Amino acid sequence: AQSVAQPEDQVNVAEGNPLTVKCTYSVSGNPYLFWYVQYPNRGLQFLLKYITGDNLVKGSYGFEAEFNKSQTSFHLKKPSALVSDSALYFCAVRDRAGGGADGLTFGKGTHLIIQP
Amino acid sequence: EPEVTQTPSHQVTQMGQEVILRCVPISNHLYFYWYRQILGQKVEFLVSFYNNEISEKSEIFDDQFSVERPDGSNFTLKIRSTKLEDSAMYFCASSERAGYTEAFFGQGTRLTVV
Repeated sequence: AQSVAQPEDQVNVAEGNPLTVKCTYSVSGNPYLFWYVQYPNRGLQFLLKYITGDNLVKGSYGFEAEFNKSQTSFHLKKPSALVSDSALYFCAVRDRAGGGADGLTFGKGTHLIIQP
Repeated sequence: EPEVTQTPSHQVTQMGQEVILRCVPISNHLYFYWYRQILGQKVEFLVSFYNNEISEKSEIFDDQFSVERPDGSNFTLKIRSTKLEDSAMYFCASSERAGYTEAFFGQGTRLTVV
């Protein structure tokens, strides 16, 4: 069975500082990895994904994430945080071995709070 | 920008009643999903749907749940006899392809069972 862990319920960062939101995963095969963001009263918005190839993937709004196979991690990063980045962030995984239309397994989410 | 739309945004129902949650996926997408998020908990996969049949379902998706694509544009989730524990935010999602393709989510329907 696949699983995702986001160890921090909340991350507080000062505006302009770099941010990291942590994610580790467990799958039986190789993973497809995703980050989504949820703003209040909105659905989940896709940020970026890792499929294969370069371990550093870039996504929307200046976010990037680094895939680390040995540590089974996919941490979300941004060099300089904005107050507008404050939201709930979800990491998700899909096992490639599952194929087809397998559903995503999500982490519990991390509240990112950027302080002015 | 195309988006997934869900109606209603909030539904209150009495325990034991049937509810139908509605979704309009993005028009050229072929794969459809329902997820739910109980307050304070993680987003959980319920079911995926492709080519007019269920592709995969989770343990949560028991006999009281059903999905349908009645007219080629809407995608519905029916809960036959609601329980208090069905209270949650229900998200519809769609994707162009399976596997590595990202899913696009609607804004959710908050279901409150009283």
